This record gives sequence, structure tokens and C-alpha cells, in this order.
Amino acid sequence: RKEVEQDPGPFNVPEGATVAFNCTYSNSASQSFFWYRQDCRKEPKLLMSVYSSGNEDGRFTAQLNRASQYISLLIRDSKLSDSATYLCVVGYAGGTSYGKLTFGQGTILTVHP
Amino acid sequence: NAGVMQNPRHLVRRRGQEARLRCSPMKGHSHVYWYRQLPEEGLKFMVYLQKENIIDESGMPKERFSAEFPKEGPSILRIQQVVRGDSAAYFCASSPRRGEDYEQYFGPGTRLTVT
Repeated sequence: RKEVEQDPGPFNVPEGATVAFNCTYSNSASQSFFWYRQDCRKEPKLLMSVYSSGNEDGRFTAQLNRASQYISLLIRDSKLSDSATYLCVVGYAGGTSYGKLTFGQGTILTVHP
Repeated sequence: NAGVMQNPRHLVRRRGQEARLRCSPMKGHSHVYWYRQLPEEGLKFMVYLQKENIIDESGMPKERFSAEFPKEGPSILRIQQVVRGDSAAYFCASSPRRGEDYEQYFGPGTRLTVT
């Protein structure tokens, strides 16, 4: 089983749609959780950190369920510029593994006019 | 404040040659991480370094790969005797502190092509 699993998609949605991405992780000792986005052939960029209480940043809402080891990202009112690959990322704190991030495969989103 | 710098951005090597990838972290950051992204795959952790120390190299292949982060100068990822399977994007990230709570800022990557 992969440490971080995501639905690879692709998701093709029209502008203005709401889209949700899901992610599960296998290591219950994981301590930190993020969503990154990666544009084609570019570096990953942090979209938002994910907290147990849930957090929102404009059109983006992230949720974490530690009991189910499940992370989600909701994008409302999709824009063409949201087209990218969305990476679910988990940080594990154990021994010398501080700082090591484990990435999911990514979910491809295409927003069309 | 300049971001994470990597060079070269593109590197072509023939099988058997050596590849040297360089990473300069953001100003004030003393923690460097290297990740590899194979074609059509996700990013995989390779190594975590602080100045003059390798903290975690659990993701590094056992042979041909090495990394350093000297007291002065950039971090270097070195691949000896490259093979076609080494063709990938290599990303470096830096953070100001140790720990997963701190955001890692990624550089633009070096795309290595082995012919």
C-alpha cells in the first residue's frame, strides 16, 4: 500500500464548478499535512497546510480526519487558472525523519471554459 | 529575497558520465532536502541535509548517488556513472528550521536527461 494515496483523476470540470479531492495516508504517526499544486514541468508550490480543525483560504477548503487518516481539498468556483496537478503531502516526525515529506501521486485537474 | 536556486536547469549526460546538481537554499535557510520525480510519477524524498551534516539519506539509492551541503557554498547532489533510469526532475527544497511543521520552499528543479 502506498504511504499517500490519491485519486489520479483526471478531473475535467467547467469554470465555476466545485471539485473535491481526497487523499488517504497509511502512517498514523504522520504529524503534518499539506496540499501543494504543481503546474506542468514546474516545482511544487504550497497551496495550504491542513489542520484538524479544518481551514479555508478563499475558494479553497481543506479538511483532515486523523481517525480515518483522510485529507480532503475542496475548490469552489473553479477558475481556468486552477488547472494543475494537486499533490497531497504528509510530513512524518520520527527519529531522523523530521522534515521528510511524502507526496501522493497527484490529482490532475483541468478547468475548461 | 531570492528563492531556492538550482542549476543547471537542464542537464544532458551520456551513460557513464557524472552529473552534479547544485542547490542554493533561500537566505537564512539551513535545511536542504532533495526529491526526485521520475516521469509520470510523484516526488520521492531522497536526502535531508543541514550544513556539513547528512541527517536522513533513507531515500538515496545505495550506489552512485551522494549528497553534501558544505559550510560554504551550495548543496550538491552527485550522480556517478549515470544510467538512463536516472533521467528525472530533481527538486531541491529548503526550510528555515528542522521539522515537518515548517514549509519547504522548492526550487525550479534540474531536469536530467541521460542519453
